[in-house]
Amino acid sequence: QSALTQPASVSGSPGQSITISCTGTSSDVGGYNYVSWYQQHPGKAPKLMIYEVSNRPSGVSNRFSGSKSGNTASLTISGLQAEDEADYYCSSYTSSSTLGYVFGTGTKVTVL
Amino acid sequence: EVQLVQSGAEVKKPGESLKISCKGSGYSFTSYWIGWVRQMPGKGLEWMGIIYPGDSDTRYSPSFQGQVTISADKSISTAYLQWSSLKASDTAMYYCARLDSYSGYVVYWGQGTLVTVSS
Repeated sequence: QSALTQPASVSGSPGQSITISCTGTSSDVGGYNYVSWYQQHPGKAPKLMIYEVSNRPSGVSNRFSGSKSGNTASLTISGLQAEDEADYYCSSYTSSSTLGYVFGTGTKVTVL
Repeated sequence: EVQLVQSGAEVKKPGESLKISCKGSGYSFTSYWIGWVRQMPGKGLEWMGIIYPGDSDTRYSPSFQGQVTISADKSISTAYLQWSSLKASDTAMYYCARLDSYSGYVVYWGQGTLVTVSS
């Protein structure tokens, strides 16, 4: 099972919106509404930002939103802030592996 | 309050064995899958495997099958990740995580255990 494909880096200025893509196949992203997104700051454990494609956990800013089209899921951060600078990973259920789950390759978000 | 507390950092030599732990509290330990995630230095997250402590059903990523063993002792609400013969390439941060539903999302993570394998 290969990792889901994410861009290595995305950048934006404060206040702008950015979108991170997560591309898989019909066996994972495209086949199920089971995509989640995580934010990870250096030296810290990941933090759940979006679950089941577009749901935001309690306490996560509404500047973060998720969507999906076909085999590609997306995380959009609007009103970019300095504290959003971090690594972001998508994860999906997959029917291609006995484990059942796969992460994306990760995206470094830089706030210019 | 749900907590996953992992054992401390380890420094080992190649060929040595190791077992790290993840103790759950604040919830029914036998009712949620626990997963282990590897993060090599400067690299991304990788699912290694998951275990359901209620019946010890265990599933591995093909990349880790045969390389590690995942187990759980429900009597003490603790999950384990073990190696029989460490390699330098096992140097990484290892996180345990509670899967919150069949969809596999994780709200609760352990703090991570850094494993360093060096001669």
